Amino acid sequence: AQSVAQPEDQVNVAEGNPLTVKCTYSVSGNPYLFWYVQYPNRGLQFLLKYITGDNLVKGSYGFEAEFNKSQTSFHLKKPSALVSDSALYFCAVPDISGGSYIPTFGRGTSLIVHP
Amino acid sequence: DSGVTQTPKHLITATGQRVTLRCSPRSGDLSVYWYQQSLDQGLQFLIQYYNGEERAKGNILERFSAQQFPDLHSELNLSSLELGDSALYFCASSSGKLHGYTFGSGTRLTVV
Repeated sequence: AQSVAQPEDQVNVAEGNPLTVKCTYSVSGNPYLFWYVQYPNRGLQFLLKYITGDNLVKGSYGFEAEFNKSQTSFHLKKPSALVSDSALYFCAVPDISGGSYIPTFGRGTSLIVHP
Repeated sequence: DSGVTQTPKHLITATGQRVTLRCSPRSGDLSVYWYQQSLDQGLQFLIQYYNGEERAKGNILERFSAQQFPDLHSELNLSSLELGDSALYFCASSSGKLHGYTFGSGTRLTVV
């Protein structure tokens, strides 16, 4: 079965500094990976996805993610954090082997950007 | 506005009662997914409908049921409610298997 792990419950970063939110995955076959963001009192918003091709994927709001097959990781990054980036971030992997393509979400990482 | 509409936003009800949550997917999306989000369980997939038919089931309790109507809106029915059913319930829609999901703003259910 596919799974993702987000090893950090919370990440703190100062505004203007680069940020990284970590995600590792376990899948059989080719991985397809997603990142979502959840702002307070809102639903999740799709940020970016890796399906195939370039290992560096660019997404919304200046975020990007680096797919690393040897380390089975898909870390979310941004060169310069904003206070408004403070939110809950979820990594997700769809169930390809089972055929449903329903994503399994990680537990989420709370990103706090300090002014 | 994400394009996925959920009503009501908040619901407070007593144990043993039944409630119905409503979702209208983004225009053009045929798939609707229901998720439950709680602090201890995280985001749990409940059920998927595609163009009116049930497509996939996740960790949905027997007390819960859902349906999707011809106009593609969906309803999630929760019955014999227990305190532990208190959570955020999200609906999402998608235009394809590997497309990102579009989530609604959720319904916060509080069972007292």
